[in-house]
Amino acid sequence: DGGITQSPKYLFRKEGQNVTLSCEQNLNHDAMYWYRQDPGQGLRLIYYSQIVNDFQKGDIAEGYSVSREKKESFPLTVTSAQKNPTAFYLCASSIGTSGYNEQFFGPGTRLTVL
Amino acid sequence: GENVEQHPSTLSVQEGDSAVIKCTYSDSASNYFPWYKQELGKGPQLIIDIRSNVGEKKDQRIAVTLNKTAKHFSLHITETQPEDSAVYFCAASMRMFTGGGNKLTFGTGTQLKVEL
Repeated sequence: DGGITQSPKYLFRKEGQNVTLSCEQNLNHDAMYWYRQDPGQGLRLIYYSQIVNDFQKGDIAEGYSVSREKKESFPLTVTSAQKNPTAFYLCASSIGTSGYNEQFFGPGTRLTVL
Repeated sequence: GENVEQHPSTLSVQEGDSAVIKCTYSDSASNYFPWYKQELGKGPQLIIDIRSNVGEKKDQRIAVTLNKTAKHFSLHITETQPEDSAVYFCAASMRMFTGGGNKLTFGTGTQLKVEL
């Protein structure tokens, strides 16, 4: 059963702690993305990766870091430098070849910083 | 950069009626426009998309129209059903990343409620 998995579904952390959100895909997609979603707002791009061992900042990368050591995995770390980390985080992937490819989204992780 | 505006923010229709959601974009270089449906607590799912060389696309009860001159595109849902109730997002792709992949700029979403 192919798809994107994100874990955990809900995550609570104390202010000042770093936290890592997991994203795994078994679709054999080259490109992966992280978005942040806040109430009443659209999705905003945090980071993206087109290929293993390569990634670029999106529109709101400050306070976040990523790695892409394996094709199927793209974890996101929310650092203590992120001023307002409470949000719904969505991971996505696409084939990544030339042309316009559908982005498939995972179920999301809701992060609450107390 | 690209800016996408979406209206209305909430839309309530009676079952069986039609629903229309409208989006405008700012960058004339954008040429790919997907629509996503997001159910509560889940990730968005693509429901239909259109490329700029096409003015209209239809898939059963769902259709999308694109006016490149005016830089706006719309989602039309006919014969609405309760299971259509969700948040709908439009998006515009302003450029391709080198090597593949799309940079999508999303609208702020429309909460559609289909009432019995």
